[in-house]
Amino acid sequence: EIVLTQSPGTLSLSPGERATLSCRASQSVSSSYLAWYQQKPGQAPRLLIYGASNRATGIPDRFSGSGSGTDFTLTISRLEPEDFAIYYCQQYGSSPRTFGQGTKVEIK
Amino acid sequence: QVQLQQWGAGLLKPSETLFLTCAVYGGSFSDYYWTWIRQPPGKGLEWIGEINHSGNTNYSPSLKSRVTISVDTSKNQFSLKLSSVTAADTAVYYCARGPHKGAQQPLTYWGRGTLVTVSS
Repeated sequence: EIVLTQSPGTLSLSPGERATLSCRASQSVSSSYLAWYQQKPGQAPRLLIYGASNRATGIPDRFSGSGSGTDFTLTISRLEPEDFAIYYCQQYGSSPRTFGQGTKVEIK
Repeated sequence: QVQLQQWGAGLLKPSETLFLTCAVYGGSFSDYYWTWIRQPPGKGLEWIGEINHSGNTNYSPSLKSRVTISVDTSKNQFSLKLSSVTAADTAVYYCARGPHKGAQQPLTYWGRGTLVTVSS
């Protein structure tokens, strides 16, 4: 089973600032099958990034993903008020398709 | 547009069996794996397992002994059964569309979630 560790646990930033979220895997994620999801209170998660670096349909270009192997990054170039939420990474290349524990991006 | 509509009992007693169903509207049911995920209150997401239209399943090792995911292709529905529930199984349970039969894919479409509370 691939264990995903996200850091930091909480990121306190102001609107307009850049957010950098990390996701580290316990073993290599095959073919960069790594996704990022955004979740707001009371809502289901929403797919942001798949294949480590591809934006899902309708996702603004301020969201970008990078990385390969065991180290992945989600970057939000300039935080908008609606971006304050919890972000999860997930590997979907092998079963069980595990999630990281999440990073909360909160308003400073 | 793909929509997932889920339902099931929201309050259970310890040792009872959880049963949830998810109906899929739109898209191709037979081309994908269909997935269950849960989220305890205030905690992160946990992948439970998945099934395809042929009934092939993958389960989380930590839940495998208590979980059964089944499919009804005539209704484009899939279901989750979790036996011998305890308070630790209290969570919002989500259904979602998983990998394509020909390629690995993330969870693109999600149901709205069902809160299941286990309490005596």
